[in-house]
Amino acid sequence: DGGITQSPKYLFRKEGQNVTLSCEQNLNHDAMYWYRQDPGQGLRLIYYSQIVNDFQKGDIAEGYSVSREKKESFPLTVTSAQKNPTAFYLCASTPEGGRTDTQYFGPGTRLTVL
Amino acid sequence: GQNIDQPTEMTATEGAIVQINCTYQTSGFNGLFWYQQHAGEAPTFLSYNVLDGLEEKGRFSSFLSRSKGYSYLLLKELQMKDSASYLCAVANYQKVTFGIGTKLQVIP
Repeated sequence: DGGITQSPKYLFRKEGQNVTLSCEQNLNHDAMYWYRQDPGQGLRLIYYSQIVNDFQKGDIAEGYSVSREKKESFPLTVTSAQKNPTAFYLCASTPEGGRTDTQYFGPGTRLTVL
Repeated sequence: GQNIDQPTEMTATEGAIVQINCTYQTSGFNGLFWYQQHAGEAPTFLSYNVLDGLEEKGRFSSFLSRSKGYSYLLLKELQMKDSASYLCAVANYQKVTFGIGTKLQVIP
């Protein structure tokens, strides 16, 4: 079955530790996105990548880093510089980069920093 | 800048019709999405409007007026499983901006 996977579904980390969230897709989509969702706020874009080996900052990139070494993978690292990392993180992909299209979302990872 | 407004919460009765409104002020516009999101789950696509007018898809319909910066999602014959958040999102060339979502509770 084609789709987007994120693992784990729940993640706990101590304050000050970096943590990497995985996102894998086998849809052969060019573009991938990372969003953060907090109560009372819409999905906010952290980073996006339209093609392999290229990515751009979204609206709230500070304290996060990404890589796009393979088309199917777009991991997100939450660094200790992110002041409020506890949130629900969603990865998404679209068939082509450079134009808006229906976004296919992964199941999400709920990160809790203790 | 981007500004998208939708009501925070709504309650409706099973079997009834409910309309969820969304107004937007954005720099650039390609189209408007509606997504459904059950608690703790990923958003799933409902509709994408590019041109003005009403598009119907089963029990769900979506309307767009670009001149007014306005859209609504219409849900007919409400079912208990329709209890979820409904996200309005505006697309411009490379970016999609989401509203906060409207949490719909369907009651018996």
